[in-house]
Amino acid sequence: EDQVTQSPEALRLQEGESSSLNCSYTVSGLRGLFWYRQDPGKGPEFLFTLYSAGEEKEKERLKATLTKKESFLHITAPKPEDSATYLCAVQPKWVSGNQFYFGTGTSLTVIP
Amino acid sequence: EAQVTQNPRYLITVTGKKLTVTCSQNMNHEYMSWYRQDPGLGLRQIYYSMNVEVTDKGDVPEGYKVSRKEKRNFPLILESPSPNQTSLYFCASSLDGGSNLVYEQYFGPGTRLTVT
Repeated sequence: EDQVTQSPEALRLQEGESSSLNCSYTVSGLRGLFWYRQDPGKGPEFLFTLYSAGEEKEKERLKATLTKKESFLHITAPKPEDSATYLCAVQPKWVSGNQFYFGTGTSLTVIP
Repeated sequence: EAQVTQNPRYLITVTGKKLTVTCSQNMNHEYMSWYRQDPGLGLRQIYYSMNVEVTDKGDVPEGYKVSRKEKRNFPLILESPSPNQTSLYFCASSLDGGSNLVYEQYFGPGTRLTVT
């Protein structure tokens, strides 16, 4: 069964304290893995797409990496405005182009 | 401005009273989807559509209906809502990437539904 697991469920960081969020997946072939950011009361907002193991993408203080079994979202020197829930989603190769499986997210709080 | 809109944003209703949540996108996207988000369960796909008149069930379709008569609109219909359908609902759209590429989804602002 295809599964997406995110850890930790919640993470509290001091401003400037770098850390990583994990998304592990078990799918029968990966077409793409996505990271989204979700602020309270809002819809998810796209951050990154990763397609193959070894791929990395960066945006400001965020860097996403992908292996054959998991993806990491590295947050360098976070600021309070990085506080949000971060969601991981995968699309296995065997599904149609509009099917996605989401993890339950990591709630990040950055304390000033 | 490129966006996905949903209406209403908040809805309180009673068991059995039919309702429709509308979704519209202005990006000419082929793909559209409906999700529900519940604490501890994350986002789960209810129905999705690959194009006009092409829809299919996601992981949790029971109790829901959809239609895609126009490319920009994808309404979600609850014909006889029950309390277990109380949830936060999101509509999303994306481009068709063919068999090799998959594009990011753009999400609406959400509809918070309470069924009493």
